[in-house]
Amino acid sequence: DTGVSQNPRHKITKRGQNVTFRCDPISEHNRLYWYRQTLGQGPEFLTYFQNEAQLEKSRLLSDRFSAERPKGSFSTLEIQRTEQGDSAMYLCASSVTHEQYFGPGTRLTVT
Amino acid sequence: AQRVTQPEKLLSVFKGAPVELKCNYSYSGSPELFWYVQYSRQRLQLLLRHISRESIKGFTADLNKGETSFHLKKPFAQEEDSAMYYCALIRISGGSNYKLTFGKGTLLTVNP
Repeated sequence: DTGVSQNPRHKITKRGQNVTFRCDPISEHNRLYWYRQTLGQGPEFLTYFQNEAQLEKSRLLSDRFSAERPKGSFSTLEIQRTEQGDSAMYLCASSVTHEQYFGPGTRLTVT
Repeated sequence: AQRVTQPEKLLSVFKGAPVELKCNYSYSGSPELFWYVQYSRQRLQLLLRHISRESIKGFTADLNKGETSFHLKKPFAQEEDSAMYYCALIRISGGSNYKLTFGKGTLLTVNP
């Protein structure tokens, strides 16, 4: 499968724990995006990388969230001190142009 | 800031009937509009974009800048069209990062 992959697919964690998600984009795609989707809503933009540079962060991304894309390849999204409100589907997408290709998402449940 | 509105959360039609999923947007500049679709247990995938003016799976969408709309239409719905449909916008301007702004989605059910 040469599409965008995300791991893990599901994560259940206790409030206060740290979690890290990984996204592997399509290999030649230089742009990488993270979105968050909660029930009944469309995906909401979190952050964007062009190669290894993080060029924009949404105000949805509090200080507890950090994202990296070392060497412009895979990306990680870390949430520290998780809260119940962080429960959501976290989507990664990659692109070369305006067409974004999405991964299957990581569903986070914070108990 | 840009916004995308999909006024219908749910839309139910019978097989063979025409279907129209509404999308309105607000953005003062030049946007690029997309329709994404998510079938049950599958990832979000691009259905069509206004700039390509294609018909995909029998669906078409025309950008109406006067009405700021980008409605998705199909003349004869099929059961396999049942899915969640999202309208989305990219802001095209200097320094744009091409992030997508999505509507809340419309769940289309095509009944036999």
